[in-house]
Amino acid sequence: DAGVIQSPRHEVTEMGQEVTLRCKPISGHNSLFWYRQTMMRGLELLIYFNNNVPIDDSGMPEDRFSAKMPNASFSTLKIQPSEPRDSAVYFCASGGPDNYGYTFGSGTRLTVV
Amino acid sequence: DAKTTQPPSMDCAEGRAANLPCNHSTISGNEYVYWYRQIHSQGPQYIIHGLKNNETNEMASLIITEDRKSSTLILPHATLRDTAVYYCIVRVGGGSNYKLTFGKGTLLTVNP
Repeated sequence: DAGVIQSPRHEVTEMGQEVTLRCKPISGHNSLFWYRQTMMRGLELLIYFNNNVPIDDSGMPEDRFSAKMPNASFSTLKIQPSEPRDSAVYFCASGGPDNYGYTFGSGTRLTVV
Repeated sequence: DAKTTQPPSMDCAEGRAANLPCNHSTISGNEYVYWYRQIHSQGPQYIIHGLKNNETNEMASLIITEDRKSSTLILPHATLRDTAVYYCIVRVGGGSNYKLTFGKGTLLTVNP
C-alpha cells in the first residue's frame, strides 16, 4: 500500500497564478479530507468528501479555493488566483469505512511569491 | 465536537515512559478520544483511539478516566524518534463520514 499520494511535494508560484494540488487516496477509502497548515493557524480542515460528494466545505477560505473529486481515486484542490497568504503546507488525508483514524499524505508545500 | 485542553510542551528522557494528558470535560457519550502525532515536516499520524475502555496497541496505551473527562496517552519507552507534536481530539464516532478538528497539541521533546 503506497499510502496517500500527494503531488507536487513543493510548489513555488507567482501571485495571481493558478495552482492545482493533487491527491490520490488509499484504495478502498471512501472519505477524503483537505487540510492546510501554517504556523499561525495550525491545521485547518478545508473540505471533506464522502463517496466523492463534498460534505462540508465551510473551511474553504474564499471563492478562490475550489476542490473536486471526480472519482474515488483522485481529488484536486485549486487556488485561482493565488496570493502570498496562501503559502502553507496542504495535506490530503483519506479514511476508510471502519472506525480507525485517517491516513495523511506527505503534504504539498506551497509558496506564493 | 468537544474541545480538548493539552499542555503546550513536555519533556521526557529517552527510555522512560512519556505520559501526555488531555482534558475533555465536555465530552459527550457518543464521542471518541483520538490521538495523533505529527513529526516535523510530516503529515499527522494516527496513534490510537478509545471510547471508555483503556486501549493498547503497538505504539501506545490510552487511559481514559471513568468519568471520561480526561485521558492520558502513554508511550512506554520513549525514543528520540517520538519527538513530535501530539494531538488529542474528540469526535463523534462511527463510520468514515466525520471530520477531525486539530487543536494546538503538546510538543513532546524526548531528550537523550
